[in-house]
Amino acid sequence: EIVLTQSPTTTAASPGEKVTITCLASSSVSNMYWYQQKSGASPKLLIYSTSSLASGVPDRFSGSGSGTSYSLTINTMEAEDAATYYCQQWSSNPWTFGGGTKLELK
Amino acid sequence: EVQLVESGGGLVQPGRSLKLSCAASGFTFSNYYMAWVRQAPKKGLEWVATISTSGSRTYYPDSVKGRFTISRDNAKSSLYLQMNSLKSEDTATYYCARMIYGGSNYFDYWGQGVMVTVSS
Repeated sequence: EIVLTQSPTTTAASPGEKVTITCLASSSVSNMYWYQQKSGASPKLLIYSTSSLASGVPDRFSGSGSGTSYSLTINTMEAEDAATYYCQQWSSNPWTFGGGTKLELK
Repeated sequence: EVQLVESGGGLVQPGRSLKLSCAASGFTFSNYYMAWVRQAPKKGLEWVATISTSGSRTYYPDSVKGRFTISRDNAKSSLYLQMNSLKSEDTATYYCARMIYGGSNYFDYWGQGVMVTVSS
């Protein structure tokens, strides 16, 4: 099983600040997927195939990486971005998720 | 608009069974792989099951293999999860999710979730 480790576990950012969340895989994966989950809501697809934005996602979000190291970046933090973010891989069964990064508004 | 609406959750005793349902609308259900993903209280996400478009292929992680069965009825645009021999660690919110399967495998739409509590 491929284990995904996210860092930081919790972070806070001020409006306009840049935020980067990292996802490290225990083995190489071909792509990474990112989801956003706001408090009390279901997860929402944010980025697929490492760097492609899902429909309706603001372009302040971006994804990058390869092999065992991937990242999600929010270029300029907005209040509505406060949420928990999860990475996910499918390169090998079982599909696994990272433990999540909680992003709070400072 | 894609909609996924889960139902069937509730409180169940350890060792008993429960069946979840998911009603899909707003897309051609029979064209998509579907999945169940769960989230224990205040915990992260865990993939539970995936089913192919026709229902002929199913996939499970070891944690539920042999206890859970995913199925679908394309005529009714419905997805199901039969959960047997339930354990306390199965307590979670269960999400129905549409999958993009093939070159990439991911979950592009999620339902609102249904709570399952396993307790005596």
